[in-house]
Amino acid sequence: QVQLVQSGAEVKKPGASVKVSCKASGYTFSTYGITWVRQAPGQGLEWMGWINPYNGNTNYAQKLQGRVTMTTDTSTSTAYMELRSLRSDDTAVFYCARSSPTCPGCWLDPWGQGTLVTVSS
Amino acid sequence: QSALTQPASVSGSPGQSITISCTGTSSDVGSYNLVSWYQQHPGKAPKLMIHEVNKRPSGVSNRFSGSKSGNTASLTISGLQAEDEADYYCCSYTSSSTYVVFGGGTKLTVL
Repeated sequence: QVQLVQSGAEVKKPGASVKVSCKASGYTFSTYGITWVRQAPGQGLEWMGWINPYNGNTNYAQKLQGRVTMTTDTSTSTAYMELRSLRSDDTAVFYCARSSPTCPGCWLDPWGQGTLVTVSS
Repeated sequence: QSALTQPASVSGSPGQSITISCTGTSSDVGSYNLVSWYQQHPGKAPKLMIHEVNKRPSGVSNRFSGSKSGNTASLTISGLQAEDEADYYCCSYTSSSTYVVFGGGTKLTVL
């Protein structure tokens, strides 16, 4: 079955960087996109960006431009999301989700289990 | 403040039907048939329930249906069951530089 398994929880200090991984299985990795979404405690969902593993094309949310980088390793069917210059309001659960290879956000299915990133001094 | 507007909460009794609205603009919901809906139980990852306005993924109950009129999309759940109690989020592609926008979420309570 199609499955996305994410890396474990992280605790970071303000100003640091975090890199979350998302390992895919059960489908041909390069034929679908990967979208990243975050959810602050008690808050709603926020789209962060999308990557096409086939060609490396990315689209990032404007508010994160310059701080976020999404990459993939097709040899291991793994996607990565790095967020730099962390602030306390970056504390959130970060999700990866399989998505359309051509349309960011058209559909997200399935989702990874989520990775809690806590930013605290 | 989310780009798409949803009611904060809705409720219904078992067996009843409820509808959750999702209001956007002509830059998103009104211009693209790319609205999707997600169900999220507490502490769990979201689950795709509807995509492209009214398409139901395999395995999702036919009690869930979607529609759109103008700048407003809707999710209808018929024959409410206790297990439907969850948060629901709408999502749309947008022509703005944001690319994708979510609604603020609606908490469904089954009385």
